[in-house]
Amino acid sequence: GESVGLHLPTLSVQEGDNSIINCAYSNSASDYFIWYKQESGKGPQFIIDIRSNMDKRQGQRVTVLLNKTVKHLSLQIAATQPGDSAVYFCAENGNRDDKIIFGKGTRLHILP
Amino acid sequence: EPEVTQTPSHQVTQMGQEVILRCVPISNHLYFYWYRQILGQKVEFLVSFYNNEISEKSEIFDDQFSVERPDGSNFTLKIRSTKLEDSAMYFCASSEGSGGSEKLFFGSGTQLSVL
Repeated sequence: GESVGLHLPTLSVQEGDNSIINCAYSNSASDYFIWYKQESGKGPQFIIDIRSNMDKRQGQRVTVLLNKTVKHLSLQIAATQPGDSAVYFCAENGNRDDKIIFGKGTRLHILP
Repeated sequence: EPEVTQTPSHQVTQMGQEVILRCVPISNHLYFYWYRQILGQKVEFLVSFYNNEISEKSEIFDDQFSVERPDGSNFTLKIRSTKLEDSAMYFCASSEGSGGSEKLFFGSGTQLSVL
């Protein structure tokens, strides 16, 4: 069955606002998590990752939060821009060494 | 910035025909992967490859599928007898370390259409 899933298939955000994309995972053995961005016609592009020994990690305009207690992962995008329009996937390793497993994806739509 | 390249970008084939999808991973990477994505759905794991052998494969990766690293730069996915349900976008990826603990870099994909 699914080990990674998403709460919302589509998220619409006003340009300039902050976006929060959520992800639930079910495999408590997972110790590595990644967010990918996929623009139309392109392959997944790495955004940010986090290991299970952390609960927060920041990048440029993005923050990933990990709550192991409730098995929840979120991606926060600050000051959302039109170029942020894409499908966002969370992925986990299921405590495997040799693959990552993708969730279903959330489409982020930026309103002008 | 180094990138994973895939050819062709589009491949149309007749059902029952063999196809080979080609990938050039990032040059210093040691781990290689194939994923596929049916239109509008999630990205599904097919196979991982390290040290010239398959390290993990999914249920999708049946006897019709094979992978090969024929030389020091290419990584290929072969589908021996394509089926209609093989129509999908196929992504190659590579990582410097093992994919369970290092980020994967993906190519732009090959769109396979089986008629």
